[in-house]
Amino acid sequence: NAGVTQTPKFRVLKTGQSMTLLCAQDMNHEYMYWYRQDPGMGLRLIHYSVGEGTTAKGEVPDGYNVSRLKKQNFLLGLESAAPSQTSVYFCASSSPGSGRYNEQFFGPGTRLTVL
Amino acid sequence: DQQVKQNSPSLSVQEGRISILNCDYTNSMFDYFLWYKKYPAEGPTFLISISSIKDKNEDGRFTVFLNKSAKHLSLHIVPSQPGDSAVYFCAARESFGNEKLTFGTGTRLTIIP
Repeated sequence: NAGVTQTPKFRVLKTGQSMTLLCAQDMNHEYMYWYRQDPGMGLRLIHYSVGEGTTAKGEVPDGYNVSRLKKQNFLLGLESAAPSQTSVYFCASSSPGSGRYNEQFFGPGTRLTVL
Repeated sequence: DQQVKQNSPSLSVQEGRISILNCDYTNSMFDYFLWYKKYPAEGPTFLISISSIKDKNEDGRFTVFLNKSAKHLSLHIVPSQPGDSAVYFCAARESFGNEKLTFGTGTRLTIIP
């Protein structure tokens, strides 16, 4: 099992450009999440999904959109990138009964720089 | 409003000694707490957790203690090993919260050989 994978690993954008980050999981998890990690801020939840076709806002959703058309994939979109969106983005997945303690499993991250 | 706080950004401990990482929370609706470990350029990995109905959970060298009245938890690592050098995040989950986690800001642990 690959677990949670993220594409791409690195990306540099210019202000105003758009892009989509792809997250895929092969554990048949119901829930998927997008976080961003910034220095001194920990991980903050951007959007999440509790099942195929559903999405919900997290703590810092502004400037991002998401879609969950297939159970195994969760896409994060930036329509018009801003320097404030320079960050490391992590995707995670979980299900009731996943792992030993219903914990979330994380991908390796995408480092995004917006110039 | 930081609901989960890790007030020590960094901690250095001699190899073989005990490492103690602390975490405080403010939301009384949190009923489950987790610790994640993160190496550079990797995603966080789950380490250990504790339910609010317990005050201690142990897994090998790792023990988590929960003091509900003080809204405080701590992670003890003993003995500390060089491979334990990483950033440790405390996280909390509300009951009926769709499994969402609220993370602390992290503590960078350095084990000195």
